[in-house]
Amino acid sequence: DAGVIQSPRHEVTEMGQEVTLRCKPISGHDYLFWYRQTMMRGLELLIYFNNNVPIDDSGMPEDRFSAKMPNASFSTLKIQPSEPRDSAVYFCASSFGETNTEAFFGQGTRLTVV
Amino acid sequence: KNEVEQSPQNLTAQEGEFITINCSYSVGISALHWLQQHPGGGIVSLFMLSSGKKKHGRLIATINIQEKHSSLHITASHPRDSAVYICAANNAGGTSYGKLTFGQGTILTVHP
Repeated sequence: DAGVIQSPRHEVTEMGQEVTLRCKPISGHDYLFWYRQTMMRGLELLIYFNNNVPIDDSGMPEDRFSAKMPNASFSTLKIQPSEPRDSAVYFCASSFGETNTEAFFGQGTRLTVV
Repeated sequence: KNEVEQSPQNLTAQEGEFITINCSYSVGISALHWLQQHPGGGIVSLFMLSSGKKKHGRLIATINIQEKHSSLHITASHPRDSAVYICAANNAGGTSYGKLTFGQGTILTVHP
């Protein structure tokens, strides 16, 4: 398996534009997580899914953020409209099972909003 | 909410030195993870442990459940070990299985 695949690796966009980040989890994994990493706050959980169903979205900062998982092999994180303070590295991770399971991370998407 | 504290925040070492990074957490966990992140790179899982000790090459991770403390040791450190090391707690119970709470990370620089 190629691991968790995220696209794009880098995204530069203007304030107010819509941004869509994509993630393909490892085949067979039933949990998918979206994290955001900034210098100030480190890694933070935004939302996670179990069997394609959103379980906890309490980390989503604002209504401008939304995430979907239409099937077991694909998820998106959308920001609309984007703002400069959304600039960060966004990581997707997947895992199998409920507890004591290793999470596998994608390479991340570095988002810059100017 | 579990609080995860790492120390030190920054660590500089000479090649060959023995390195220890510490992690403390405030509430019960089901597992603790050590992650490695190279500059500009992705995040790699080094260890996941819920008790005792694990070893992989020059890396050793230990956990003391009673004291809510874990350590990551690197023996015979090398410049390629330079990275950010992140401790993450997998919270026990509730509905948030699999959700990780992260420490702020330890920036390790190993000089030749």
